[in-house]
Amino acid sequence: DAGVIQSPRHEVTEMGQEVTLRCKPISGHNSLFWYRQTMMRGLELLIYFNNNVPIDDSGMPEDRFSAKMPNASFSTLKIQPSEPRDSAVYFCASRDGQGASSPLHFGNGTRLTVT
Amino acid sequence: AQSVTQLGSHVSVSEGALVLLRCNYSSSVPPYLFWYVQYPNQGLQLLLKYTSAATLVKGINGFEAEFKKSETSFHLTKPSAHMSDAAEYFCAVSFGNNDMRFGAGTRLTVKP
Repeated sequence: DAGVIQSPRHEVTEMGQEVTLRCKPISGHNSLFWYRQTMMRGLELLIYFNNNVPIDDSGMPEDRFSAKMPNASFSTLKIQPSEPRDSAVYFCASRDGQGASSPLHFGNGTRLTVT
Repeated sequence: AQSVTQLGSHVSVSEGALVLLRCNYSSSVPPYLFWYVQYPNQGLQLLLKYTSAATLVKGINGFEAEFKKSETSFHLTKPSAHMSDAAEYFCAVSFGNNDMRFGAGTRLTVKP
């Protein structure tokens, strides 16, 4: 089991640029979550999908953020345009179909720095 | 609304001492509760979970947690701390709509 795979591990970009973060969930998992982690705000849920359908995107901070899940094995989180305050570690996590009693499996995160 | 509160953002213990990390939850429905650990530059890893089968839950690395409904608590303990336990620990609650919410985290420092 390869686990949840995120890319890139590190991203440094300039303000105003578009940033795309990628995630491959564990095969067979049907729920996918995007979290953002900062010192100030801790771990924040941005959006989650069930069976590739976005269920709750109320945590997405602004319209500059968008997420897609075109198929069961791939998801992207896009920020356009990026701003310095978007600097954070972004985590993707997946969960199997057993629902709320199942744990999340996390990737190693993407550390985003916007200058 | 369902949520978790972790008391103490930073806990420091000596090697060999008891570890106690506190977590209280708020939920209008029976909760599923989890403890995760995060080492530097890594994602969160599951330590243990409560899903109503037993109130005392044993996890990896010698950790355990007890679900106390009357106190709405799910504190994490380990009898004897090891240097390798130094990390950040997160309590989380999951409920019927498949969402999962995390506490603010507690950073554990282990002194030699």
